[in-house]
Amino acid sequence: DIQMTQSPSTLSASVGDRVTITCRASQSIGSWLAWYQQKPGKAPKLLIYKASSLESGVPSRFSGSGSGTEFTLTISSLQPDDLATYYCQQYNSYWTFGQGTKVEI
Amino acid sequence: QLQLQESGPGLVKPSETLSLTCTVSGGSISSSSYYWGWIRQPPGKGLEWIGSIYYSGNTYYNASLKSRVTISVDTSKNQFSLKLSSVTAADTAVYYCARTPPGDYHFDYWGQGTLLTVSS
Repeated sequence: DIQMTQSPSTLSASVGDRVTITCRASQSIGSWLAWYQQKPGKAPKLLIYKASSLESGVPSRFSGSGSGTEFTLTISSLQPDDLATYYCQQYNSYWTFGQGTKVEI
Repeated sequence: QLQLQESGPGLVKPSETLSLTCTVSGGSISSSSYYWGWIRQPPGKGLEWIGSIYYSGNTYYNASLKSRVTISVDTSKNQFSLKLSSVTAADTAVYYCARTPPGDYHFDYWGQGTLLTVSS
């Protein structure tokens, strides 16, 4: 099974900050990685797929990069609406989620 | 606009079988090359993929749950279903259904989720 590890688990930042979340895979997954945003009491929302492709309608301050085993999600200028937990997910072999990163503002 | 809606009993007793249904509207569940999946989230915890079914009926399950999981599709009702047997308190979670598009196997559409509690 492919394991996904996110860091940090919690992140505190201010409005306007550049924020980076890292996700590492236990083996190479190519670019088969997605990022989701989940707000309290809501279903996850797709932000990024294939490591760096921005889902339609998602603000351009969100971006993804990486390949192989190391990936990052960057929020270029943190907004109050970005308070949420972020999950990475690999889909190279079945589907596995990271444990999540809670972003506090 | 595609919509997915989970439905289920809300409360199940330990050792019983959990049954949930996901109704798809705004599109056909039998459209070529889509996968339809179930994901759960215990209270205060992260997301866990349970299993997925291809539009043709092929199924794929999380190895840790495989012995207890059955996913099926009913194209006449535009629904797919999850059965999880021998449930315990550890199966208490919000259960989500979601769609996987062809060629890039992320989850692009999600249901709102339904809380299922296992308790006597």
